[in-house]
Amino acid sequence: AQSVTQLGSHVSVSEGALVLLRCNYSSSVPPYLFWYVQYPNQGLQLLLKYTSAATLVKGINGFEAEFKKSETSFHLTKPSAHMSDAAEYFCAVSDGGANSKLTFGKGITLSVRP
Amino acid sequence: EAGVAQSPRYKIIEKRQSVAFWCNPISGHATLYWYQQILGQGPKLLIQFQNNGVVDDSQLPKDRFSAERLKGVDSTLKIQPAKLEDSAVYLCASSLGPGSAGELFFGEGSRLTVL
Repeated sequence: AQSVTQLGSHVSVSEGALVLLRCNYSSSVPPYLFWYVQYPNQGLQLLLKYTSAATLVKGINGFEAEFKKSETSFHLTKPSAHMSDAAEYFCAVSDGGANSKLTFGKGITLSVRP
Repeated sequence: EAGVAQSPRYKIIEKRQSVAFWCNPISGHATLYWYQQILGQGPKLLIQFQNNGVVDDSQLPKDRFSAERLKGVDSTLKIQPAKLEDSAVYLCASSLGPGSAGELFFGEGSRLTVL
């Protein structure tokens, strides 16, 4: 079985500050890892994904994440937060197989202070 | 390209009533998923279809929930009878199918409130 753990439920940063959202995974096979963002009253939108190529993955809106097998982590970062980044962020894992499905973490709410 | 369409966006019902949600996936996407998202939690997979066949429904409460995907395109999720704990957002998602590596495209969701 696969799972992801997102510690904490809320992160607050100032505009222009570094954003760091943590995600640790558990998987018995090489994982495919994803970060999704959800704005209020909207569906989930893919930010970025790791599928066993480069360990540093760049996504939309200036976000990036680094796959670290030794730490079983896939933390999401952005050098400078913008007010529009305020949303809920979900880390997810899949085995990438023919019938792959996503298993999500519980999510982290990001607030950005002016 | 049109995204995943869902309706209704909002639904309020009394417990023990029934409700149905509809989903139209992105054209050409073979795989369709229904997720349940309870407030404060991550989405939980209810059922996964590959074309019109069920791949995984292990977490679907089959005594009250049912889903179908006729002709391998649109899908309907039904709850009968509803319980208070069914209050959630029901998300439909689709993907190209095998080889998509789990990249899903989500609709905006259907928010259900059970009173």
